[in-house]
Amino acid sequence: KAGVTQTPRYLIKTRGQQVTLSCSPISGHRSVSWYQQTPGQGLQFLFEYFSETQRNKGNFPGRFSGRQFSNSRSEMNVSTLELGDSALYLCASRLRTDEQYFGPGTRLTVT
Amino acid sequence: GENVEQHPSTLSVQEGDSAVIKCTYSDSASNYFPWYKQELGKGPQLIIDIRSNVGEKKDQRIAVTLNKTAKHFSLHITETQPEDSAVYFCAAPRSNDYKLSFGAGTTVTVRA
Repeated sequence: KAGVTQTPRYLIKTRGQQVTLSCSPISGHRSVSWYQQTPGQGLQFLFEYFSETQRNKGNFPGRFSGRQFSNSRSEMNVSTLELGDSALYLCASRLRTDEQYFGPGTRLTVT
Repeated sequence: GENVEQHPSTLSVQEGDSAVIKCTYSDSASNYFPWYKQELGKGPQLIIDIRSNVGEKKDQRIAVTLNKTAKHFSLHITETQPEDSAVYFCAAPRSNDYKLSFGAGTTVTVRA
């Protein structure tokens, strides 16, 4: 069974631009969570989607948004990019209430 | 869940020795405790987990122990090898919505 896939793997954007990241969960997994990972803040939860509905949201500004499609694929969008948004963005999927599996991440660099 | 503290932040061991990482959590209702290993340039990989109805779980050279009374759990790696060098994260969920809170991570270096 294929793992969680994320595209693109690397991205360079300029301040003020917006970006869309994509995540395809493990087949059969309906829950998708997004995390931001930085050296200073560690792994921080952004939001979780289940059956196309946002179920949880972390403490991030409204510039960070997401959605989930009927096939469970998910996208996250960051508008008006800031230098501090440079990070590894990780997507994770799970089948039940516990075991969560991560993708390889998208490395976003904002210049 | 919610508050998960992880120690130490860095750990250097000689190849063949054991490594132990400890985590504490605040939500007494948490009932699932995973450990992840993250290698350079990769996403975190689930390596072992434990549920609150057991006190210890082993998988080859790795084991996890759980003390629910004290609200702490530990990862034990025996006979360490160079490929064990990575960052290890513990996590615990909030009991009401299963959102995982992660520890700050432990960078393990195995010296040959």
